[in-house]
Amino acid sequence: DQQVKQNSPSLSVQEGRISILNCDYTNSMFDYFLWYKKYPAEGPTFLISISSIKDKNEDGRFTVFLNKSAKHLSLHIVPSQPGDSAVYFCAASGAGTDKLIFGTGTRLQVFP
Amino acid sequence: DAGVIQSPRHEVTEMGQEVTLRCKPISGHDYLFWYRQTMMRGLELLIYFNNNVPIDDSGMPEDRFSAKMPNASFSTLKIQPSEPRDSAVYFCASRSTGPSNQPQHFGDGTRLSIL
Repeated sequence: DQQVKQNSPSLSVQEGRISILNCDYTNSMFDYFLWYKKYPAEGPTFLISISSIKDKNEDGRFTVFLNKSAKHLSLHIVPSQPGDSAVYFCAASGAGTDKLIFGTGTRLQVFP
Repeated sequence: DAGVIQSPRHEVTEMGQEVTLRCKPISGHDYLFWYRQTMMRGLELLIYFNNNVPIDDSGMPEDRFSAKMPNASFSTLKIQPSEPRDSAVYFCASRSTGPSNQPQHFGDGTRLSIL
């Protein structure tokens, strides 16, 4: 069973506009949610996280929103830059385990 | 400050051969994770260690896979015998002790091709 889902495999956005990446989860016991970015031939790198007791966390151009009632989170990138082009993974942790459960990723392409 | 180091970066071998993937975690990190990434299944956790002890190996696909962590600075993932369906990118990650929102730091992976 897929506990963390990213239903959009790809997203294309113009430079300077907002990118919104979405993630849904099924386990209400998750404590934290994290976003990772991955470039080709590299490992995923941590981007931003949010605790389940918050509904928003912001870091520069990146903001993560959490809607617990809908079991949904989103990552907003404003303004989008060509260097943001990568695969973005949503991940969830907690529920009595040290594991990270990853979604299948969304490929973001930012074009000029 | 060195990150997680994996070797080799690429491995091509014939079916039936033994494959050993290596990982050096970030110094001071207590947790080490092995993942496999495929197109079909995405990033899946195979096994993780805490203080060199395997905690959860429920993601290891079958007995052909084994992992060890003989000390805090080294871990191996072994496949014996290897099969074409084992072809994937294998990642190692480590993190420090703390709440589960402590980010994991990933190596650049080993791309494994079994012919």
